[in-house]
Amino acid sequence: QQQVKQSPQSLIVQKGGIPIINCAYENTAFDYFPWYQQFPGKGPALLIAIRPDVSEKKEGRFTISFNKSAKQFSLHIMDSQPGDSATYFCAASKGNQFYFGTGTSLTVIP
Amino acid sequence: GAVVSQHPSRVICKSGTSVKIECRSLDFQATTMFWYRQFPKQSLMLMATSNEGSKATYEQGVEKDKFLINHASLTLSTLTVTSAHPEDSSFYICSAEGRRAGETQYFGPGTRLLVL
Repeated sequence: QQQVKQSPQSLIVQKGGIPIINCAYENTAFDYFPWYQQFPGKGPALLIAIRPDVSEKKEGRFTISFNKSAKQFSLHIMDSQPGDSATYFCAASKGNQFYFGTGTSLTVIP
Repeated sequence: GAVVSQHPSRVICKSGTSVKIECRSLDFQATTMFWYRQFPKQSLMLMATSNEGSKATYEQGVEKDKFLINHASLTLSTLTVTSAHPEDSSFYICSAEGRRAGETQYFGPGTRLLVL
């Protein structure tokens, strides 16, 4: 059973656009929701994370929106740049049990 | 942020040989380390979770005798792929979790294994 569902699988936007990647989870016990960015041939890097006591978190151009009642959270990238082209993974965790989404391949066209 | 290193970054070996991959947390102590396998354009597949000083917990379908994991200290875990075969060729990534419960995972840069 997929604990975390991520969509879309791939996304293409123009430079300056605002790509949005969505994730949904099943287990209400999850208490930590990170997003990771992965470039080809590299390991994932923590981008931004949120806990369920807040509905939004911003760090630079990256924003997480969190909807606890709907069990959904999303990543928004403001003023996207070609350098943001990468694969993005969401995750949900409780303790050291992490569950990852299937990833979204983002391409930002110059 | 916390730094996790992996060595080697890529390795090519002959079928039947064993390969050891090291994962180190450089600036923090990791009570728990994770090993993942990733196929091209796919998500991370958790292979096993290792806690310092105890046996690793393997995910269903992962052969513990083939993928030997040792977590000898709070900063080092090793994955040994024994008697490697071409189908073991993949991208192996480790991650480490800090000492506080629920602390995030920090990933290593990955090791590309090619078995000829």
